[in-house]
Amino acid sequence: KQEVTQIPAALSVPEGENLVLNCSFTDSAIYNLQWFRQDPGKGLTSLLLIQSSQREQTSGRLNASLDKSSGRSTLYIAASQPGDSATYLCAVVGSNYQLIWGAGTKLIIKP
Amino acid sequence: EPEVTQTPSHQVTQMGQEVILRCVPISNHLYFYWYRQILGQKVEFLVSFYNNEISEKSEIFDDQFSVERPDGSNFTLKIRSTKLEDSAMYFCASKADIAGSYGELFFGEGSRLTVL
Repeated sequence: KQEVTQIPAALSVPEGENLVLNCSFTDSAIYNLQWFRQDPGKGLTSLLLIQSSQREQTSGRLNASLDKSSGRSTLYIAASQPGDSATYLCAVVGSNYQLIWGAGTKLIIKP
Repeated sequence: EPEVTQTPSHQVTQMGQEVILRCVPISNHLYFYWYRQILGQKVEFLVSFYNNEISEKSEIFDDQFSVERPDGSNFTLKIRSTKLEDSAMYFCASKADIAGSYGELFFGEGSRLTVL
């Protein structure tokens, strides 16, 4: 059964720092991996989608990598800003075509 | 930019009442989903819907739940007799049909259901 884990559960850094969020999954047979952002009490905003055949995707200050064989993905945020404060979720699509979610990393960027 | 819209944003109901949550997926998408997130817990898959029928459902999606696409635009989730443990944020999502790859899911803002 696929399990998705995100470490750390929470992270607080000063504004301007580059940071890395981690996601690991137990079954490497995935179709893709998606990173989402969730603001408190709000919906799920898709940030990046990496297909299983891809190694990374970039959007603005965000870069997501995927190492399927080791069951890991990272989300790199460059030059962090207070507006980046949110919970970041990763989710994988496996053989059952369902998104399996991690618990998220709550990120706080201090001005 | 096209988006998934959900109504209501928040509903409070008494235990045992029926609830219908509504979603308008992105217009050219063919796959539709409901997920839920109980406060403080992971997002969980409920059901997927394609070609006017359920394609997958989880253990959570028991006989108390049903989905329907009553017209060309709406996608609804009905909970027949709500329980306290149904209190959660319910997310609708849709996905285009992209040959050769499993596409990106786009989510709505969610409907918060509070069962008293």
